This record gives sequence, C-alpha cells and structure tokens, in this order.
Amino acid sequence: EAGVAQSPRYKIIEKRQSVAFWCNPISGHATLYWYQQILGQGPKLLIQFQNNGVVDDSQLPKDRFSAERLKGVDSTLKIQPAKLEDSAVYLCASSREGNEKLFFGSGTQLSVL
Amino acid sequence: AQSVTQPDIHITVSEGASLELRCNYSYGATPYLFWYVQSPGQGLQLLLKYFSGDTLVQGIKGFEAEFKRSQSSFNLRKPSVHWSDAAEYFCAVGLTGGGNKLTFGTGTQLKVEL
Repeated sequence: EAGVAQSPRYKIIEKRQSVAFWCNPISGHATLYWYQQILGQGPKLLIQFQNNGVVDDSQLPKDRFSAERLKGVDSTLKIQPAKLEDSAVYLCASSREGNEKLFFGSGTQLSVL
Repeated sequence: AQSVTQPDIHITVSEGASLELRCNYSYGATPYLFWYVQSPGQGLQLLLKYFSGDTLVQGIKGFEAEFKRSQSSFNLRKPSVHWSDAAEYFCAVGLTGGGNKLTFGTGTQLKVEL
C-alpha cells in the first residue's frame, strides 16, 4: 500500500513570499489532516478534512494560511505571506475514517528567511 | 483543553538495557492515548494506542505502555532496547470521539549507546 505522499520535501523562501504544499493521501482515506511541527515541539493540528469538507480549522491562522481538498483526494496548504515563525515541518496525515489508524507523510520542511 | 507532558527531552540508554519514557496527560474525560515514533526524515509511525479496556497495551517493535488513570500517565516501555530504536518518541492524547485530532507532547529524543 502506497503511503501518504507530500511535496516538495524542502522549501526555502523569504518572508512575505507565498508557498504551497501538496499532499496525496492513501487511496480510499476519507479523512485528511495538516499538522505543523516547529523544531523542538510536537506536531500541532492545523486543519482536518472529511472528504472535501472542512471538519475543524480552529487552529489554522486564517489571515495567512489556507487549505483546500478539491474532489476529496489531494490537498494543498498555502501560506501567504509567510513569516519567520512559519518555519516548520508541515505534515500531512490521512485515515480511512476519523477514528481509524493515522498514517503520516514524511513532511515538507519550510525555512523562511 | 487537553495537554500532554513529556518531562524528558533526551534519554540515553545502552543497547540491551530496558527503557521507560514518561508521559502525563491532562483531560477531563477518558482519553484516547497514543505513542508515535519519528525517525529522521520520516513521518510519524504509530507504536500503540489505548482507547479502553486492558490498561496494558502491546504495540509494534516490542513496545508496551500502561495507562494509569490515578497518575494520569501513559508511560512507554521496552525490556531490551536495540540500536535501531534511536529516534524521537511522541505521546499524544485524542478527544473521546474526536478521532485523530491529536494533541502531542514535545517529544523525547532517544539515543542508544552501543
């Protein structure tokens, strides 16, 4: 079974630029999550999708972050404009349903200079 | 709101020695509890989880964890550590009925000396 795919693997941008991350979950997984992992901290949930609908985005900084999951499969997370404190690893995860085993991708490491 | 504390930032053990990683949680109801492992450049992998029932939970790679409600703890153990166990370990708590909306601890970095 193929895992959760994320790209790019690394991204370096300057502050105030925009950036986008892509995630392809495991086939058939209805639930998709984006987590932010700042160095030295545990992952923090940003947004949860069920199919193509948002279930929880209460911790997403909506003034600069946006996410979508068109057609209920792939998802993109965008930051515009980026700040220095957005430097982190952005992890995508998926599960068949909300309460089932969660599978994580390898993440996108973002450095904002 | 729920929270997780992992008091040990770094732990070093010798290969073949036993291991215990500590985790304390704060949550008003019966929590869902998880342990994940993260190797460099890899995503998080689920080691084990506790939802209900037997308080001693067996996981993959020879790990186990014990849920102690009276101590609000969910410590991870392994009787004999292998060099390949060197990684970062995260304890997480999920809301009852909240699925995989997890709150993670800050992690414990495990180093294994040969």
